[in-house]
Amino acid sequence: DTAVSQTPKYLVTQMGNDKSIKCEQNLGHDTMYWYKQDSKKFLKIMFSYNNKELIINETVPNRFSPKSPDKAHLNLHINSLELGDSAVYFCASSPALDTQYFGPGTRLTVL
Amino acid sequence: GQNIDQPTEMTATEGAIVQINCTYQTSGFNGLFWYQQHAGEAPTFLSYNVLDGLEEKGRFSSFLSRSKGYSYLLLKELQMKDSASYLCAVRGRDDKIIFGKGTRLHILP
Repeated sequence: DTAVSQTPKYLVTQMGNDKSIKCEQNLGHDTMYWYKQDSKKFLKIMFSYNNKELIINETVPNRFSPKSPDKAHLNLHINSLELGDSAVYFCASSPALDTQYFGPGTRLTVL
Repeated sequence: GQNIDQPTEMTATEGAIVQINCTYQTSGFNGLFWYQQHAGEAPTFLSYNVLDGLEEKGRFSSFLSRSKGYSYLLLKELQMKDSASYLCAVRGRDDKIIFGKGTRLHILP
């Protein structure tokens, strides 16, 4: 009965590659998010979608492109990966303007 | 600018009480959250304050003063499993949630 799931859990890849991370929530929430947590454990919002529409787009390189095929899914595609992209990426969802439920995270390592 | 400050690390003893403070300066205010994050895991929700005052939930309580831009998380009867990072986060006027850098809490037996 996983609420917010992400795949893959670990991703190791070479610089310059393109990769995707998938996120799904079965909570019926309208809003989904992508966060990046760097090596210093600082959690920073990247994107937020509400009912498949982008509502928050932080200053993120345009190599990062989110896609929401429906309100239960929010995927993150990253082009031309760089060393600085190494981090843990968390997906989250929320029913309204309160509690966020986080997925287990995807640890991305760029070599 | 927008800023959330909380201590980097704290240490407390099992069975004791600890208070983790958070001060914020943000563009508008639509609520303050506290999350717990164990090493290698996802953040989990602890509390949400949008009005001034104290919210109690079992061993954990959270306090908010909007006029002072201040909150604290109070943990009572500390247990070893409370060793974790505690993240303060504020939702601003634009509904964007900004996280503090977290307070790593160490519990000693």
